[in-house]
Amino acid sequence: GAVVSQHPSWVICKSGTSVKIECRSLDFQATTMFWYRQFPKQSLMLMATSNEGSKATYEQGVEKDKFLINHASLTLSTLTVTSAHPEDSSFYICSASKGLPGFEQYFGPGTRLTVT
Amino acid sequence: GENVEQHPSTLSVQEGDSAVIKCTYSDSASNYFPWYKQELGKGPQLIIDIRSNVGEKKDQRIAVTLNKTAKHFSLHITETQPEDSAVYFCAASFYGKLTFGQGTILTVHP
Repeated sequence: GAVVSQHPSWVICKSGTSVKIECRSLDFQATTMFWYRQFPKQSLMLMATSNEGSKATYEQGVEKDKFLINHASLTLSTLTVTSAHPEDSSFYICSASKGLPGFEQYFGPGTRLTVT
Repeated sequence: GENVEQHPSTLSVQEGDSAVIKCTYSDSASNYFPWYKQELGKGPQLIIDIRSNVGEKKDQRIAVTLNKTAKHFSLHITETQPEDSAVYFCAASFYGKLTFGQGTILTVHP
């Protein structure tokens, strides 16, 4: 086991609207969940780390008011991109960790966001 | 913060050959070093990992070596197959966030 799902797998939205992406650990309880962004032909960049029931910790340069993260339960974390703009178009990937943080992160399949 | 350098950026091999990808890290406190395979349009898949108290780990055709003194670790794939073609990322972590290398595009020619 250790399966992580994301929904939706792709989404197109208009500039100025908000989009919510869900990340679920299907067969384990995730003590920590991570959100990454990946631009074409680039590496993964960590956006934020979240623990169930507490506020997310954002990486330097990531606008926390624009990228809202909620970790409501040990199996669900959501990322909301508020007032999306074309430059927010990217591949968003979540991961989940069980047990000690930093060991064995299991990644979701990713969500392709296109803002028109 | 941690910085991970990965080389080469692209690697082309013939089926059956071996492939080696190397990474260096900057933070001596890092204690977990995973390798991920990412296919186009998909999330990264963990293929092998190693902790700082181990020097080498092998899983069938895949092996990873770690040199803590030199702060570098390597991925070795033997008997490569066309389905090994993908982007490979190394990463380093200290009880928390992963810092990824830039990625290596591996192409295995039949």
